[in-house]
Amino acid sequence: DADVTQTPRNRITKTGKRIMLECSQTKGHDRMYWYRQDPGLGLRLIYYSFDVKDINKGEISDGYSVSRQAQAKFSLSLESAIPNQTALYFCATSDGDRDTGELFFGEGSRLTVL
Amino acid sequence: GQNIDQPTEMTATEGAIVQINCTYQTSGFNGLFWYQQHAGEAPTFLSYNVLDGLEEKGRFSSFLSRSKGYSYLLLKELQMKDSASYLCAVMDSNYQLIWGAGTKLIIKP
Repeated sequence: DADVTQTPRNRITKTGKRIMLECSQTKGHDRMYWYRQDPGLGLRLIYYSFDVKDINKGEISDGYSVSRQAQAKFSLSLESAIPNQTALYFCATSDGDRDTGELFFGEGSRLTVL
Repeated sequence: GQNIDQPTEMTATEGAIVQINCTYQTSGFNGLFWYQQHAGEAPTFLSYNVLDGLEEKGRFSSFLSRSKGYSYLLLKELQMKDSASYLCAVMDSNYQLIWGAGTKLIIKP
């Protein structure tokens, strides 16, 4: 089983619908992140959380919200999806105690907004 | 602004050596990362450099020059499974990762 699990893996929805992407991890890491990846662009940070009571906006948080329900769970919501939110979304974790800051990624959630 | 530049695509031959370059301009520097990403899959960590010089890990090596804002990833004895995108990322002064768009490496027999 993957250490960082994302659901759903694929989702097609319509403009205006509310969508939730869920992420759970078994690595015991405190830090969790949501990124989106678009062709020709680098990974862009949406939100991040360093512990259950800590939520921070990333580079492109507009149109998104998150919830850190537990150390192991971090969900991303699109309250009213729009077509330019069509992208590949990755959840990631890191161990804040390590020096390198290596990220461990989930398998990705491909979202299509029609 | 902050910027990471790397070639969009490179082609190499199985068994050969390839060097993927990355140049960066960031607000501060707290390390440079290389990740490998196969098509449709998650990125996986390859290397981390925070000091100048070469870090070798098997067939893969990564070099850093902080004064030049430059890094490269060197892949030796290329195998077909090395066909993937290679992502360069720099951790800035706020410990945020700034990502390049990635270099798609195509390996030909």
